[in-house]
Amino acid sequence: GQSLEQPSEVTAVEGAIVQINCTYQTSGFYGLSWYQQHDGGAPTFLSYNGLDGLEETGRFSSFLSRSDSYGYLLLQELQMKDSASYFCAVRDGSYIPTFGRGTSLIVHP
Amino acid sequence: EAGVTQFPSHSVIEKGQTVTLRCDPISGHDNLYWYRRVMGKEIKFLLHFVKESKQDESGMPNNRFLAERTGGTYSTLKVQPAELEDSGVYFCASSPRSGTGELFFGEGSRLTVL
Repeated sequence: GQSLEQPSEVTAVEGAIVQINCTYQTSGFYGLSWYQQHDGGAPTFLSYNGLDGLEETGRFSSFLSRSDSYGYLLLQELQMKDSASYFCAVRDGSYIPTFGRGTSLIVHP
Repeated sequence: EAGVTQFPSHSVIEKGQTVTLRCDPISGHDNLYWYRRVMGKEIKFLLHFVKESKQDESGMPNNRFLAERTGGTYSTLKVQPAELEDSGVYFCASSPRSGTGELFFGEGSRLTVL
């Protein structure tokens, strides 16, 4: 089976940079995704890493190291609206993502 | 284009009652998933449809849960009889046949069993 570990909560101030780590254990690894969920809303897709390295999308970047079974989501120039839960999800060949417990990001003014 | 819609958004029932949750995926998406999140825990996989066929239902907790996907369109998830531990938010997600595996989620149905 698969398992993922990510911090339960991270706090930061507006304008700062924050990194949310995710370590995983899985067989047949295909890729790591990140999702954002605001309270009461739908989880929405942020990024996907199938290969090692950094993927950048605006203020958000995601990194993957398959040899270390590790990835992270980097959020730059934090804004209040970035306060949300962030989930990493690992995909094996079955096309069924397995999600972590989520990291609650709290951005302070 | 309409997103994934779920109904009801919130349901409060008593232990032993029956509840049916509905999901309308994005039109044309063959893959449909049900997940559940209990407060503070992971978004846990329940089952996966490809069109009208159950591809994987290994996450279904027990036989009190029944999922169907009529004609490969909308899906229902019935809980009968409901127990206290069934409380949580039930998410439906869909995805097209190919791609990076990005899931498009609905806003979830919050189930409270008293």
